[in-house]
Amino acid sequence: EVQLVESGGGLVQPGGSLRLSCAASGFTFSSYWMHWVRQAPGKGLLWVSSVNSDGGPTSYADSVKGRFTISRDNAKNTVYLQMTSLRAEDSARYYCTRAVGLTDFDYWGQGTPVIVSS
Amino acid sequence: QSVLTQPPSVSGAPGQRVTISCTGSSSNIGAGYDVHWYQQLPGTAPKVVIFGNSNRPSGVPDRFSGSKSGTSASLAITGLQAEDEADYYCQSYDYSLSGYWVFGGGTKLTVL
Repeated sequence: EVQLVESGGGLVQPGGSLRLSCAASGFTFSSYWMHWVRQAPGKGLLWVSSVNSDGGPTSYADSVKGRFTISRDNAKNTVYLQMTSLRAEDSARYYCTRAVGLTDFDYWGQGTPVIVSS
Repeated sequence: QSVLTQPPSVSGAPGQRVTISCTGSSSNIGAGYDVHWYQQLPGTAPKVVIFGNSNRPSGVPDRFSGSKSGTSASLAITGLQAEDEADYYCQSYDYSLSGYWVFGGGTKLTVL
């Protein structure tokens, strides 16, 4: 059974940092691109970042470029999102999801909440 | 402002047919990139209901169908049921700038 389990969310002050993790199981992790998608309370889905299957090319939404860094450890079947210089508008539930290239996001985790507030 | 445009809400009575539109541009849907549709029930993670413009994953009822033409796509739900009440999002890829995976703003489906 495919499982994606996010962790690392929480309350952080503006300007602070957090590192999210997503532990994957039930599939060949190294064959999939991994993505982070976020959803602010009451708002829609926003793609945040992606990393290709071997940890090579990464992409970021303009709103997080230069502040967030995505990485993966294929030996640990885990993808990470290092978030720095956090702002109130980064408050959201962060979902981990997978895809093969430009295909659909076929499995999603349950998300981890991030609250940026003083 | 989302790159893909969806109506904020649609509604229909049980048994009826509803459609949800998703309008893009020449840098995403119009460029030939596939459109995927997700259903999000309250308090849950999104779930794909249509992938590759018109394909249904196993387990998704055949009441759900998708189509794509030009710079737009549509999700149709026939024989509406109470359990279909949810938020629906279209998603594609946009090659402009550095390339992004893009979502529509979402459509709230209400079953009357």
